[in-house]
Amino acid sequence: DTAVSQTPKYLVTQMGNDKSIKCEQNLGHDTMYWYKQDSKKFLKIMFSYNNKELIINETVPNRFSPKSPDKAHLNLHINSLELGDSAVYFCASSPTQYYGYTFGSGTRLTVV
Amino acid sequence: GNSVTQMEGPVTLSEEAFLTINCTYTATGYPSLFWYVQYPGEGLQLLLKATKADDKGSNKGFEATYRKETTSFHLEKGSVQVSDSAVYFCALSTSGGGGNKLTFGTGTQLKVEL
Repeated sequence: DTAVSQTPKYLVTQMGNDKSIKCEQNLGHDTMYWYKQDSKKFLKIMFSYNNKELIINETVPNRFSPKSPDKAHLNLHINSLELGDSAVYFCASSPTQYYGYTFGSGTRLTVV
Repeated sequence: GNSVTQMEGPVTLSEEAFLTINCTYTATGYPSLFWYVQYPGEGLQLLLKATKADDKGSNKGFEATYRKETTSFHLEKGSVQVSDSAVYFCALSTSGGGGNKLTFGTGTQLKVEL
């Protein structure tokens, strides 16, 4: 059983489209995250939810909207996609700060 | 704010060579420190961690010691293998009003050759 699973693994879409990425964890963790990894491998946090409540919202364009229907799921919806949104998006979960995160395998988004 | 500085890569070593990847940090409060590894085409995996000063994290032959006096958490391995080729990320975590947030270094690519 995959601990943190993301779908889809690859996503190729045209500029201006709207797309969603789904994430589910079966670890019973209370906190989930979205990170963006750019072409230089730099990782930056986008959002964090704790028990369905948004607790971290970094400086991210409001075209990006996270949704957490329950503590095991955190989805990311992106409106009006732009070329600069091309990246790998990672979902992660954690119990507390002392245990680090468990990451999903990533979604490679390519905007053409 | 919090930040992590890692040595730049890529680092190329021969098999069985000694590895050190430097990592220093700036943080408010008392962070937990981590090393993550990312193999090609995969997500990040936790390699090791340390939650307080002088703790040593270890896993799969890799070690790192939390040095508060030098704000460092350098990754070491005595004898690397080709299978260790990956990108290594140093990270710190603090909790508080802003939630549990991992701040990553820029990553160091390691290539091990026969």
